Amino acid sequence: GENVEQHPSTLSVQEGDSAVIKCTYSDSASNYFPWYKQELGKGPQLIIDIRSNVGEKKDQRIAVTLNKTAKHFSLHITETQPEDSAVYFCAATNTPLVFGKGTRLSVIA
Amino acid sequence: NAGVTQTPKFQVLKTGQSMTLQCAQDMNHEYMSWYRQDPGMGLRLIHYSVGAGITDQGEVPNGYNVSRSTTEDFPLRLLSAAPSQTSVYFCASSKQGAYYEQYFGPGTRLTVT
Repeated sequence: GENVEQHPSTLSVQEGDSAVIKCTYSDSASNYFPWYKQELGKGPQLIIDIRSNVGEKKDQRIAVTLNKTAKHFSLHITETQPEDSAVYFCAATNTPLVFGKGTRLSVIA
Repeated sequence: NAGVTQTPKFQVLKTGQSMTLQCAQDMNHEYMSWYRQDPGMGLRLIHYSVGAGITDQGEVPNGYNVSRSTTEDFPLRLLSAAPSQTSVYFCASSKQGAYYEQYFGPGTRLTVT
C-alpha cells in the first residue's frame, strides 16, 4: 500500500518569511496529492491539491509542487502570517487517502 | 448544510466498556471514513465505506466495527475499549471519485481508563 513520509515534524518561522513542507510517497499509481490544514480543536480542512499530471499549482500565498519521477511533493507558504499557524498534513491517494504524520507550523510575530 | 457531524464531542470509558461513535453527513456523499489521530502518528484510517452496505478495513481496524445502512450515517463501534484506543476520532466524507477532497467532522476525544 501507499506510504507517505512528511518532513519536518515541526517548523517555526518569523512572520513574513516563507515555509516549506516536503513529502514523499511510495505508490506510483497515486494520482492526487492534497494538503490539509488543521487548526487547534478542529478537523482537517483541504487547502489545496495537485494532480499527477500537473507540476505546480498556486493559490494566493500557497503553492504546491510535484515531482513524479522522484515521488515527492511540497507545500510552499509565502509571506507567512500568524493565522497560518496550524498542523499541515500532506496526503496521497489512489484509494483510499493516506496521510503523512503532519507538520506543526508556528509563525512567530 | 450541517456538513459532517459527530457525537459525542468528549467521552470517557472504562476498560472493557463498549460504545458507538456517531457520524452523519448531509451532503449526499457516497464515501465515508473513520480516522484516529494520535500525537506524532498523523491520521490513521480505521475503516471506510464507498457506499451503503459496503465497508472495508483501513490501516488500524482491530477493535472497531462499522456498518453503513444508509448514505448519511457511518457509526463506529468500540467492542471492548482498551487504553490503547484513547485518541481523537475523526469522521470524514467525500464524493465518489473525489477521495482527495474529504470533509472532516469536528472530532470525538475519547479517553479509556
